[in-house]
Amino acid sequence: QVQLVQSGAEVKKPGASVKVSCKASGYTFTSYDVSWVRQAPGQGLEWMGWMKPHSGNTYYAPKFQGRVTMTRNTSISTAYMELSSLGSEDTAVYYCARTLWEVLDSWGQGTLVTVSS
Amino acid sequence: DIQMTQSPSSLSASVGDRVTITCRASQNVGTNLNWYQQKPGKAPKILIYATSTLQSGVPSRFIGSGSGTHFTLTISNLQPEDFATYCCQQTYSVPYTFGQGTKLEIK
Repeated sequence: QVQLVQSGAEVKKPGASVKVSCKASGYTFTSYDVSWVRQAPGQGLEWMGWMKPHSGNTYYAPKFQGRVTMTRNTSISTAYMELSSLGSEDTAVYYCARTLWEVLDSWGQGTLVTVSS
Repeated sequence: DIQMTQSPSSLSASVGDRVTITCRASQNVGTNLNWYQQKPGKAPKILIYATSTLQSGVPSRFIGSGSGTHFTLTISNLQPEDFATYCCQQTYSVPYTFGQGTKLEIK
């Protein structure tokens, strides 16, 4: 079955960077896009962008442009999302999701990133 | 960015009821509108895509409709497992924005 398994919770200091991994299984990793979505505590979902594992092409939401980098390692079917210059407003659960025709049809379990001094 | 506004932000209903959640877009998004369900502490789950197409495995009591700027999600014969937060997302133009969510609670 399709499964996306994300890396564990992180605690970071303001100004630091975080890199979240998302390991895919149960399907051909390069045949689907990977989207990243975050959710601050008690808040709604926020779309961050997507990556095409086949080519490595990416699109980042303007809000995150310059701070986010989405990459992949196709040999281990893993996508990564790195966010830099962290502030307290970046405290959130970060999700990866398999995406086809803009439908996020399978999601990782989420990774809590806490930014605190 | 296209703003997505849901109403109500929360509502209470009973098992067996029918409820409707509205999602409005700040500009025309055609039928590029998806609905997700999220339960506490869990990842969202796709229910409906392209306004009205049910994702495989989703019960037929979930019905999506609309176009342009006005969309609805109707849930008939509410079941205990339906009490959750529902969120719309436009995929007409990037960035693909979400509504703020509607929390459906048991009365």
